[in-house]
Amino acid sequence: QQQVKQSPQSLIVQKGGISIINCAYENTAFDYFPWYQQFPGKGPALLIAIRPDVSEKKEGRFTISFNKSAKQFSLHIMDSQPGDSATYFCAARHSNNQGGKLIFGQGTELSVKP
Amino acid sequence: DADVTQTPRNRITKTGKRIMLECSQTKGHDRMYWYRQDPGLGLRLIYYSFDVKDINKGEISDGYSVSRQAQAKFSLSLESAIPNQTALYFCATSDPGLPPYEQYFGPGTRLTVT
Repeated sequence: QQQVKQSPQSLIVQKGGISIINCAYENTAFDYFPWYQQFPGKGPALLIAIRPDVSEKKEGRFTISFNKSAKQFSLHIMDSQPGDSATYFCAARHSNNQGGKLIFGQGTELSVKP
Repeated sequence: DADVTQTPRNRITKTGKRIMLECSQTKGHDRMYWYRQDPGLGLRLIYYSFDVKDINKGEISDGYSVSRQAQAKFSLSLESAIPNQTALYFCATSDPGLPPYEQYFGPGTRLTVT
């Protein structure tokens, strides 16, 4: 049972383009939605996060768009750069905390071509 | 020095062998987690621990066991390794206090079971 579904599995974007990664969730009790970025040979690291009471959060070139009614959220990377090439994971946290557990999506391998 | 360290970084073992992966952290966090990463499946939670006396199963705990020797140390054991346990394993920690409820990941252990 995959509670957070992420797409696409891989993405190739030209330098300067917009990268878009989508996630959908099923459990309406999720209350926190982070995105993690993982470079080859490294562990994932928090990139940006959003709570469901806002529809958008922007940090630099990275924006999360959140659609509560559709139970979907997405990561947009504007002006994509080769240094953004990494694997991106969306995740969700249950409102009752459950030990701070996160449910992760399947991951998207992003490659930004120069 | 890294806040979350994992040993070994790479390990090749044979089917049926017992193996232990170790995790240490200097962040002073009570909560620790073990995940495995497989292509196309994302990060899946194996076990998590709220503190030294509290151990909880994650979504894929069969075939694994853990030990929380101290606040700073959390070990994952494969009692009898099998080939489908070949994966990238990550340890993570978190502070339950305040948003963004960030999890801090170690560099990972690449395990191959032949």
